[in-house]
Amino acid sequence: KQEVTQIPAALSVPEGENLVLNCSFTDSAIYNLQWFRQDPGKGLTSLLLIQSSQREQTSGRLNASLDKSSGRSTLYIAASQPGDSATYLCAVTYNTDKLIFGTGTRLQVFP
Amino acid sequence: KAGVTQTPRYLIKTRGQQVTLSCSPISGHRSVSWYQQTPGQGLQFLFEYFSETQRNKGNFPGRFSGRQFSNSRSEMNVSTLELGDSALYLCASSLAQGGAGELFFGEGSRLTVL
Repeated sequence: KQEVTQIPAALSVPEGENLVLNCSFTDSAIYNLQWFRQDPGKGLTSLLLIQSSQREQTSGRLNASLDKSSGRSTLYIAASQPGDSATYLCAVTYNTDKLIFGTGTRLQVFP
Repeated sequence: KAGVTQTPRYLIKTRGQQVTLSCSPISGHRSVSWYQQTPGQGLQFLFEYFSETQRNKGNFPGRFSGRQFSNSRSEMNVSTLELGDSALYLCASSLAQGGAGELFFGEGSRLTVL
């Protein structure tokens, strides 16, 4: 069964810390992996898209890596800010016809 | 460039009624997919439309249906509403089908069934 797991489910850190969010998937035959953030009651905002042939993608303070062989992706957030507080979701695409979302990591960054 | 627009944003229905939700994708995007989000089940895929054809469907009962028009706007319909249908319904548009491209989400339609 294809499953996507995110650990931890919740994380609370002081402002300025560098942090890592984890995403694990059971089937390594992925097409791509995307990271999203979701603010309470809102839709999802795409952060980074990594194709299966890529190892990492960077956007500003965000860096996402992909290791298909181990079934893992990590989202690295540098110098966290209170505005980064949100739920972060990863989603894995298989065979361009199936998108599976993880359960999310709820991040709180306090001043 | 306008984003993905979903209407209505909030609605309240009673059991047994039916509801229609609308999604206007980003201009030029031909793929529209729908998701249900609940606290207990997380984000679950409902279906995807590409060029007016349903390309993929999740594990939801037949009460959930959808369609896509020639201008790529999409609607989803839920008939005979149940309490468990209360959720945030999200649509996403993309240039490519099946999650092959970046997804852009709307703000969602929050449905409450009483």
